[in-house]
Amino acid sequence: AQSVTQLDSQVPVFEEAPVELRCNYSSSVSVYLFWYVQYPNQGLQLLLKYLSGSTLVKGINGFEAEFNKSQTSFHLRKPSVHISDTAEYFCAVSQKGYQKVTFGTGTKLQVIP
Amino acid sequence: DTGVSQNPRHKITKRGQNVTFRCDPISEHNRLYWYRQTLGQGPEFLTYFQNEAQLEKSRLLSDRFSAERPKGSFSTLEIQRTEQGDSAMYLCASSLGLADYNEQFFGPGTRLTVL
Repeated sequence: AQSVTQLDSQVPVFEEAPVELRCNYSSSVSVYLFWYVQYPNQGLQLLLKYLSGSTLVKGINGFEAEFNKSQTSFHLRKPSVHISDTAEYFCAVSQKGYQKVTFGTGTKLQVIP
Repeated sequence: DTGVSQNPRHKITKRGQNVTFRCDPISEHNRLYWYRQTLGQGPEFLTYFQNEAQLEKSRLLSDRFSAERPKGSFSTLEIQRTEQGDSAMYLCASSLGLADYNEQFFGPGTRLTVL
């Protein structure tokens, strides 16, 4: 079985400040890891993914995440946030060979002007 | 390409009624997925189709739930004898390919309210 933990339900941050959204996962087998973003009244959109290779993954809108196997983490970072980054962010995991994706409970990023 | 579409966008029903939702995937996408998202939670996987074959089903998909994709294009999700606990956003996603991983593109969802 696989699971995802996003400990921070809400993260307020001032505009142009850096942000880190935390994600820890649990799985007994090899996994793929994802971050999705959900803007108000819109569908989920893939932000970035880790499948294999380099542990530092770059995504859209200046976001990046680092896969840390020893700490079973996949934290999302952005060096300078913008008002338009206000959204809910979901970390997700799937086991290699399976299509089922397991999502965390989400972190609401509130960028303060 | 207009993306994944879902109809209706909102559905209000009384407990005990049956409801059916439709999902139209991106054209030529061979894989289609259904998820359920309740308030304050992330999406939960329900089931997945490759073409018309239903290949994975979650234990969340009780016998009151049934999903079909008869011609490998659009899909329907039916809930029989709805309960208040079925109130949620039902999300559909589609992807193209046969590889181990293919990016899933999500629709806007159907919000179900059971009174």
